[in-house]
Amino acid sequence: DAKTTQPNSMESNEEEPVHLPCNHSTISGTDYIHWYRQLPSQGPEYVIHGLTSNVNNRMASLAIAEDRKSSTLILHRATLRDAAVYYCILRAGTALIFGKGTTLSVSS
Amino acid sequence: KAGVTQTPRYLIKTRGQQVTLSCSPISGHRSVSWYQQTPGQGLQFLFEYFSETQRNKGNFPGRFSGRQFSNSRSEMNVSTLELGDSALYLCASSLTSGPFGDTQYFGPGTRLTVL
Repeated sequence: DAKTTQPNSMESNEEEPVHLPCNHSTISGTDYIHWYRQLPSQGPEYVIHGLTSNVNNRMASLAIAEDRKSSTLILHRATLRDAAVYYCILRAGTALIFGKGTTLSVSS
Repeated sequence: KAGVTQTPRYLIKTRGQQVTLSCSPISGHRSVSWYQQTPGQGLQFLFEYFSETQRNKGNFPGRFSGRQFSNSRSEMNVSTLELGDSALYLCASSLTSGPFGDTQYFGPGTRLTVL
């Protein structure tokens, strides 16, 4: 499975945008880019996924580089509830292969 | 629609015992995956079941096994428990088991402590 690299931690202030980067230089043409997050004491939850084009949903936006070697998860206005571990996952099969993720802290 | 439920939520066992954990997927979902989460190794994929058949398996010893019933409910079993099996065991369900997978919906997990 192709690997992803994420910063260990990031900090943000409430109501400010947050850009969470992910590098995946060994991505193959069929790998989908998935983002999940895990809030404290909960199971992971799906955030967004994409293949080549940028994607938007009610939770976030996903910006994918043209060469697909990196992507950025964008939370448009962070809230305290967005404090979580964010996982960037390359998926070419049914299993989710999690890395260490980025721990996002949000301050009021 | 009810989410993924896991029982029990907490469990304490001693070394050498065996344990069975249960997972009820979201209604209509036919794929169930199991993951182990520990502070040292993070989240690791155990196995996936679809239509009562194991479709995919992670790199875990044979002491870890599972099954899926006709109503899509799933159980996982760990035999001869070791201290290192202490972990949060997460179950996730999805509609299907296509080549690139569907969104997985996770349950709250079962916290297993092995003494």
